[in-house]
Amino acid sequence: DAGITQSPRHKVTETGTPVTLRCHQTENHRYMYWYRQDPGHGLRLIHYSYGVKDTDKGEVSDGYSVSRSKTEDFLLTLESATSSQTSVYFCAISAGGRDEQFFGPGTRLTVL
Amino acid sequence: SQQGEEDPQALSIQEGENATMNCSYKTSINNLQWYRQNSGRGLVHLILIRSNEREKHSGRLRVTLDTSKKSSSLLITASRAADTASYFCATDKGGSARQLTFGSGTQLTVLP
Repeated sequence: DAGITQSPRHKVTETGTPVTLRCHQTENHRYMYWYRQDPGHGLRLIHYSYGVKDTDKGEVSDGYSVSRSKTEDFLLTLESATSSQTSVYFCAISAGGRDEQFFGPGTRLTVL
Repeated sequence: SQQGEEDPQALSIQEGENATMNCSYKTSINNLQWYRQNSGRGLVHLILIRSNEREKHSGRLRVTLDTSKKSSSLLITASRAADTASYFCATDKGGSARQLTFGSGTQLTVLP
């Protein structure tokens, strides 16, 4: 998976609790992305980063925040998880932002 | 809303046959990419075609792009059981944003 890891791989949590997902890359790529994948919706962009401390919102950013303090790490935080955030979350990286993206293995999050 | 929409949503063929999937999009693009996702895994990049290209080949894959019709097709020749997966198109709209918009995918099943 092109030097991308996601942790945890599976998580079950309760409504209202904070959750942080981590994406770690060893490729030194500038761009990092967080997507969620739900049946019938394909992948939808949550947030992305174009450098350390440089982030921007995607299509479905409400209820999510991100941080990137180092090139290799991109964190996705659900401040107060809701059942609608039950999904599979994928991290991706890209060298130039205009070219191919490499995806991590995904994190399956269940919010009860 | 999604930029790319794949057609058909599901396709089942016999091993050795060709598989064709289509993608339509709504706005002008910088490039269009195709990805494959095996069940329970992250997406894998297959091919990228730029807006000034009409056709591109990679092994058993052939991609066409018709910018006047805002559509693309992915042809997999001589399909194998291992080609069973979901296939997604993704569009880069260009401009200052460095992000892709994914369609909802075509589920391809290749029967042995």
